[in-house]
Amino acid sequence: QVQLVQSGAEVKEPGASVKVSCKASGYSFTSYYMHWVRQAPGQGLEWMGIINPSAGSTTYAQNFQGRVTMTWDTSTSTVYMELSSLRSEDTAVYYCARDGCDVWGQGTMVTVSS
Amino acid sequence: DIVMTQSPLSLPVTLGQPASISCRSSQSLVYSDGNTYLNWFQQRPGQSPRRLIYKVSNRESGVPDRFSGSGSGTDFTLKISRVEAEDVGVYFCMQPTRWPYTFGQGTKLEIK
Repeated sequence: QVQLVQSGAEVKEPGASVKVSCKASGYSFTSYYMHWVRQAPGQGLEWMGIINPSAGSTTYAQNFQGRVTMTWDTSTSTVYMELSSLRSEDTAVYYCARDGCDVWGQGTMVTVSS
Repeated sequence: DIVMTQSPLSLPVTLGQPASISCRSSQSLVYSDGNTYLNWFQQRPGQSPRRLIYKVSNRESGVPDRFSGSGSGTDFTLKISRVEAEDVGVYFCMQPTRWPYTFGQGTKLEIK
């Protein structure tokens, strides 16, 4: 079945970077864009950006411009989201979601704390 | 950016009673292909969001038929005909018409 499996929880210090992975299975990896969405504790959903694994193009939300990088590896059907210059407000669950948001990963908790 | 506004933000409902959630967008969600793109999600406690409805009124496979979506242009509604205990959670609308995708604030449904 279609599945997105994300990497495990991370704890980072302020100023560091974090890289979260999302491995796709059960469908043609290059046929669907992939989104990244985050959710701070007790808060709503915030769209971070999108990557096209076929063309390698990306579009980032303005709030994350300059701090986020989305990449992909076709050989392993995996997309990555790297967020740099972390601050406490970046503490959140980070989700990948297939285009249309019909399938979501299980989420990766990223905690930023000194 | 398109702003999505949901109401109410809290929705206490008696088991077996209907529930309704409104979602309004700051711009029309009609895309250039003539389709209107508006999704509804359910997020149960501790779980990832689950898409219930896409393109305003299309139910995902496996979603009970007590869930229905309607609306057009900038005004949309999610209805649950008879609330069951498993419906507890937060419901979000989302527009995938234009980047950046944007979400409503969420409506927390609880059992009275």
